[in-house]
Amino acid sequence: NAGVTQTPKFRILKIGQSMTLQCAQDMNHNYMYWYRQDPGMGLKLIYYSVGAGITDKGEVPNGYNVSRSTTEDFPLRLELAAPSQTSVYFCASTATGGNSPLHFGNGTRLTVT
Amino acid sequence: ELKVEQNPLFLSMQEGKNYTIYCNYSTTSDRLYWYRQDPGKSLESLFVLLSNGAVKQEGRLMASLDTKARLSTLHITAAVHDLSATYFCAVVLTLFGNEKLTFGTGTRLTIIP
Repeated sequence: NAGVTQTPKFRILKIGQSMTLQCAQDMNHNYMYWYRQDPGMGLKLIYYSVGAGITDKGEVPNGYNVSRSTTEDFPLRLELAAPSQTSVYFCASTATGGNSPLHFGNGTRLTVT
Repeated sequence: ELKVEQNPLFLSMQEGKNYTIYCNYSTTSDRLYWYRQDPGKSLESLFVLLSNGAVKQEGRLMASLDTKARLSTLHITAAVHDLSATYFCAVVLTLFGNEKLTFGTGTRLTIIP
């Protein structure tokens, strides 16, 4: 059981470049989330999804886009990378309600220079 | 907007001592999580607290929830070095049937031999 898989693990981008962070889960979870964690800080919610075809903004959505065409996949798109987007990005998923905690991926460490 | 605050932000304690981390939140919620994060790693679920008065224990860690006071505590008993990590609480806010999880700022715990 792979859980939540994020790719790539590391990436260096130049200012203005674009990239997609991939996230896939194999637990048939409805809810999926993208968080960013700046050095020494907590997690801030970027976007989340309650099911295929449904997404909504979190606390810090500017500069990012998401899509959810399937239950399994929830990619995060950076269109014009900026140094302020240097961070570690975590994808997470959970079942709806109940006592299910978030299951986190291992993160993607992104540097924009 | 839901705000989640933890204190202290940094905690250095000796092995064998007891201490408590506090998590306050600003809006009514029916679910709270505690997570642990080791340096450079992803987040690991510790506890899920579902109702007022809920108490859960695992080894030297015990978490409790007071929904009326909007307060959760994570108590550490007879600390050992292996407990050194950053601990996050996270609170679920349900709006129009959609769930969003907001994380606290984190408490960086260092256990000194």
